[in-house]
Amino acid sequence: GQNIDQPTEMTATEGAIVQINCTYQTSGFNGLFWYQQHAGEAPTFLSYNVLDGLEEKGRFSSFLSRSKGYSYLLLKELQMKDSASYLCAVRDGNDYKLSFGAGTTVTVRA
Amino acid sequence: GAVVSQHPSRVICKSGTSVKIECRSLDFQATTMFWYRQFPKQSLMLMATSNEGSKATYEQGVEKDKFLINHASLTLSTLTVTSAHPEDSSFYICSARLSGTNEKLFFGSGTQLSVL
Repeated sequence: GQNIDQPTEMTATEGAIVQINCTYQTSGFNGLFWYQQHAGEAPTFLSYNVLDGLEEKGRFSSFLSRSKGYSYLLLKELQMKDSASYLCAVRDGNDYKLSFGAGTTVTVRA
Repeated sequence: GAVVSQHPSRVICKSGTSVKIECRSLDFQATTMFWYRQFPKQSLMLMATSNEGSKATYEQGVEKDKFLINHASLTLSTLTVTSAHPEDSSFYICSARLSGTNEKLFFGSGTQLSVL
């Protein structure tokens, strides 16, 4: 299986930037996903990386380094509605199954 | 984007009863659906992979006779928690893969199961 680690909690102020790191160990890496999950709701897709580098999508960016088993999600211009749990998920092999990290709870303060 | 509907959103039942949870892909056909469970402040744990027209594949440690999965059509998968007990109380989430894509899964809104 995969060993996916990410910080438990992070706090930032409105308008600031926060970077959520994720490290993983897998034998057959086939993509890394970031999802946002509000309490009691289903996860919603944020980003997908399969090649090294930075993927930018509006206020959110995601970076991947396959050689280091490392990714980060960058949230810019934080808004109160960004307070949520952010899940790092790794796909191993070709069966489309995802293994999730425990999630990072981000709290945005005014 | 693709929509996955999950029903019910919340269920409270007595110990020993069975509960059925439905997961529907509303505007696409899903040959593969996945069932996850999530305890408070913990990660989503994959329970099983549901394939249309064939038996589900269960993850290690998941009792297939307790968590019955049926994927009778390309738009519907059901999870039945049989003889539920308080330790089965959890948040259950389904997800569906859009056929032909190699990327993201689409998640249902989840079902909060509370067994008294």
